[in-house]
Amino acid sequence: GENVEQHPSTLSVQEGDSAVIKCTYSDSASNYFPWYKQELGKRPQLIIDIRSNVGEKKDQRIAVTLNKTAKHFSLHITETQPEDSAVYFCAASGSSNTGKLIFGQGTTLQVKP
Amino acid sequence: DAEITQSPRHKITETGRQVTLACHQTWNHNNMFWYRQDLGHGLRLIHYSYGVHDTNKGEVSDGYSVSRSNTEDLPLTLESAASSQTSVYFCASSDRKETQYFGPGTRLLVL
Repeated sequence: GENVEQHPSTLSVQEGDSAVIKCTYSDSASNYFPWYKQELGKRPQLIIDIRSNVGEKKDQRIAVTLNKTAKHFSLHITETQPEDSAVYFCAASGSSNTGKLIFGQGTTLQVKP
Repeated sequence: DAEITQSPRHKITETGRQVTLACHQTWNHNNMFWYRQDLGHGLRLIHYSYGVHDTNKGEVSDGYSVSRSNTEDLPLTLESAASSQTSVYFCASSDRKETQYFGPGTRLLVL
């Protein structure tokens, strides 16, 4: 079935360092890949997304890269700040443009001041 | 401003009781989804709907039901609450571009 694997499950970095979270998806028909940030006790919020016709997308300190051949995509956060501490979820669209998203298990990022 | 809301935000109930969680969106989105979030399991899809009178089962649908009588609302019903259904429940909606927007969540405790 459709599956998204996300690694690592926890990540601790020093403030100012970069953080990278990686996801692998199983369905080659997936064409939409969003990333959500969830702060403690809050709802998941979209921070960046990418579609299959693009290999990379940046938004200030956040970037996402996509390798469709290898079926993996990554979130890169540069110059991390304590407020980046949260749980990050990757997701991939389900097949046949169903509108469904398949979520990874989440990565808890801790940025130490 | 358009938004998505959930109610109640917190609920305590007893095993065997029927519970309904409300989800309301004002974006006029056709697609609506219900997820549960538990430690170690991420976001798991319970039910979803592509429009009025359409409902579909997700990966963890047993013990849950939904109905869609209008575009704005997708209530989630636990027919007979079980302790295993203690969780945080999130509703989400999306348009054709597939970006899903989440509600604030409902914390449910089944005693």
